[in-house]
Amino acid sequence: ILNVEQSPQSLHVQEGDSTNFTCSFPSSNFYALHWYRWETAKSPEALFVMTLNGDEKKKGRISATLNTKEGYSYLYIKGSQPEDSATYLCAPPAGGYNKLIFGAGTRLAVHP
Amino acid sequence: DTAVSQTPKYLVTQMGNDKSIKCEQNLGHDTMYWYKQDSKKFLKIMFSYNNKELIINETVPNRFSPKSPDKAHLNLHINSLELGDSAVYFCASSPFGGLQETQYFGPGTRLLVL
Repeated sequence: ILNVEQSPQSLHVQEGDSTNFTCSFPSSNFYALHWYRWETAKSPEALFVMTLNGDEKKKGRISATLNTKEGYSYLYIKGSQPEDSATYLCAPPAGGYNKLIFGAGTRLAVHP
Repeated sequence: DTAVSQTPKYLVTQMGNDKSIKCEQNLGHDTMYWYKQDSKKFLKIMFSYNNKELIINETVPNRFSPKSPDKAHLNLHINSLELGDSAVYFCASSPFGGLQETQYFGPGTRLLVL
């Protein structure tokens, strides 16, 4: 069973602050790492699929990096806005089929 | 157009009842999934079907039975509902079930068993 850890569990920042959080996963048998954004009472929304060591992906003010050798990925948000408030989930697939193993998430609250 | 839809959105029922949750996707995907958001808010995979064939079957009580009448639909039937079945159930789909494919989630069905 994959052990996926995300830190911190929760984060409170002021509007305009930049922030980052971490996803740790087993580095052996790496296939991919998925990042999702999950707003309360909505469905998880895909942000990135990271596949190669050293990958860096960007979507607006959100970017992510990947280190498969040491088993971690960082998600960065530049100039946080209140609408960025959500839980950010990472999930490697467990192998075989696309059985995503989700971490507990980092709950971000951006205060105006 | 809603890509992945679930019905009902809310379901309140008594212990011991049998209920079904329906999921439909209009993305033309071959693979569909059921996830459960447990009491600790983790999203956990339950089942996956690829083109109507069961490919993932996690350790789930056999009171839960998925059914895929065609590749655009994956329904979840739950027999003899128990209090612990109260949770949010999410359906998702992806093109072919590949490890690097994005999964697209439905809005969730909030089940409350009294």
